[in-house]
Amino acid sequence: EAQVTQNPRYLITVTGKKLTVTCSQNMNHEYMSWYRQDPGLGLRQIYYSMNVEVTDKGDVPEGYKVSRKEKRNFPLILESPSPNQTSLYFCASSPHLGATEAFFGQGTRLTVV
Amino acid sequence: AQTVTQSQPEMSVQEAETVTLSCTYDTSESDYYLFWYKQPPSRQMILVIRQEAYKQQNATENRFSVNFQKAAKSFSLKISDSQLGDAAMYFCAYRSAMGGGADGLTFGKGTHLIIQP
Repeated sequence: EAQVTQNPRYLITVTGKKLTVTCSQNMNHEYMSWYRQDPGLGLRQIYYSMNVEVTDKGDVPEGYKVSRKEKRNFPLILESPSPNQTSLYFCASSPHLGATEAFFGQGTRLTVV
Repeated sequence: AQTVTQSQPEMSVQEAETVTLSCTYDTSESDYYLFWYKQPPSRQMILVIRQEAYKQQNATENRFSVNFQKAAKSFSLKISDSQLGDAAMYFCAYRSAMGGGADGLTFGKGTHLIIQP
């Protein structure tokens, strides 16, 4: 089954403790991205990757890092999480740049206390 | 930069009736895609319908249809014969077809749709 898998689905952590949210897709997609969703703000892009070893900032990249060492994986790294990073996070993938559709993961609910 | 505006934070409709969700956008590009996504309580993002800007014909998917007005930069979603399972947050989204830059989706803030039984 074609899918985008995020882990974990839920995470509660403390301020300053490094964490990684994993994202994996099995569709051989080139383009992957991370979004955060906050009430009243919709979804906003954090980082994106056009292919292996090619990543760039989206609209709200502060406090996040990403890597793309393999085509299928695109982890989101919070080196020193803060409470304002409490949010719902989505990973998405598309076949290539400019493709019409994005496939979303199930979401990760992160709480930083 | 593109912007997407959903002016209705919440809408309510009686089951079996028709409801229209509004969306406007701002862009200087001529080639792009527009989408409506549904997010039920499960939080999954589900694509409801998409429209290519170069197509004049409005997209339709079963009970869901859009009214795409390119000159007015308007992209509303009509849900006919509303069902309880349609209750969700609905997001309008824009994506450039130019293939450059971030190429990400630009989302509106969402409309919470309530279905009254």
